Amino acid sequence: DAKTTQPPSMDCAEGRAANLPCNHSTISGNEYVYWYRQIHSQGPQYIIHGLKNNETNEMASLIITEDRKSSTLILPHATLRDTAVYYCIVRVSIYNQGGKLIFGQGTELSVKP
Amino acid sequence: ETGVTQTPRHLVMGMTNKKSLKCEQHLGHNAMYWYKQSAKKPLELMFVYNFKEQTENNSVPSRFSPECPNSSHLFLHLHTLQPEDSALYLCASSPLGLQPQHFGDGTRLSIL
Repeated sequence: DAKTTQPPSMDCAEGRAANLPCNHSTISGNEYVYWYRQIHSQGPQYIIHGLKNNETNEMASLIITEDRKSSTLILPHATLRDTAVYYCIVRVSIYNQGGKLIFGQGTELSVKP
Repeated sequence: ETGVTQTPRHLVMGMTNKKSLKCEQHLGHNAMYWYKQSAKKPLELMFVYNFKEQTENNSVPSRFSPECPNSSHLFLHLHTLQPEDSALYLCASSPLGLQPQHFGDGTRLSIL
């Protein structure tokens, strides 16, 4: 699985968009980009995933560059409850197996009033 | 509520004790996982089960013994643990293929 690089920490003002970058320059054609977050003392929570097209759901948007070497997770209106560690993970999907996740250090996002 | 329940939430044990961690999911998933999260470190994958069969053991010491009796339950049996085994142990489940993993809130384990 390809390695990802994320900034260790970021701040964001409450109500503003939070843009979290991720570099995955060695990504292969069959690898997907997944984002999870972990709020203190809880298990990781799935946010969104994508292959090459931009994706949006009720939590966030995922923007993947055309060469797929980097992506950005966007939380459109950050709240204090979005304060968490955000993980960008690249993994292959095998249709008849569960997929293993290799976590890095992630980005610690602090949303401030 | 993620649909994945782990018990106990906290466990303190001596190095000579034997204990078990339990994970339960009723999401209809066929894959289950154990992860370890030590202080200030990323989550580390320990074991993967697909259809009750172990498909991945990430060089985990034999003092950790997983058991998956059915697709809804996963156990981690612990014996003769070391202080460095103190950590948050997380269980997850998922459908096969693309779909994301759902995590429990973990068992916080302290070894005296």
